[in-house]
Amino acid sequence: NAGVTQTPKFRILKIGQSMTLQCAQDMNHNYMYWYRQDPGMGLKLIYYSVGAGITDKGEVPNGYNVSRSTTEDFPLRLELAAPSQTSVYFCASTLYGGTDTQYFGPGTRLTVL
Amino acid sequence: AQKVTQAQTEISVVEKEDVTLDCVYETRDTTYYLFWYKQPPSGELVFLIRRNSFDEQNEISGRYSWNFQKSTSSFNFTITASQVVDSAVYFCALSEGDSGTYKYIFGTGTRLKVLA
Repeated sequence: NAGVTQTPKFRILKIGQSMTLQCAQDMNHNYMYWYRQDPGMGLKLIYYSVGAGITDKGEVPNGYNVSRSTTEDFPLRLELAAPSQTSVYFCASTLYGGTDTQYFGPGTRLTVL
Repeated sequence: AQKVTQAQTEISVVEKEDVTLDCVYETRDTTYYLFWYKQPPSGELVFLIRRNSFDEQNEISGRYSWNFQKSTSSFNFTITASQVVDSAVYFCALSEGDSGTYKYIFGTGTRLKVLA
């Protein structure tokens, strides 16, 4: 049981490049979340999903896209990377959204230069 | 609107001192859940505790204890006899059960430095 996995661990992008951050969970959780953590700050919700095929915006969705074609996977797409997207990105999942404990992946550290 | 405030940005203590991390929350829901997470220097987020709004009993787990007071909307975290390994950023979080939004709101965190 790997829990929540994220790839890559680190990435450097140039301004304008695109990339996909991968997130997968093997706990059969319905709810999945993407957060970003800027230096010295808390977690801000980018997007979340309540099940396969259903996604919704969080607090800071601009510049990102998501899809949820399976229960296990919840990739986050960055289009036209900007320096403001330099951050640590965490994926999380939970069985019952809003009431249950979130399990977090190890994070992806992204730098946009 | 829901909100979590961790007013203490950074706290430094000497090893073996007790330390309390404050968390104040705002919500209109009667059913809600509170969480504490630890983020050590390695960066991962480690779950510490989950508490629902109907359970005001304080909880103790080893050197850790939590004081939940609905009257003051606070869910404070105390580490007794702190150790260097407790050095981390600690986050308090809130989720609301009535509104069905499935979202979690995090505070900005308190950085705890325990000095040897």
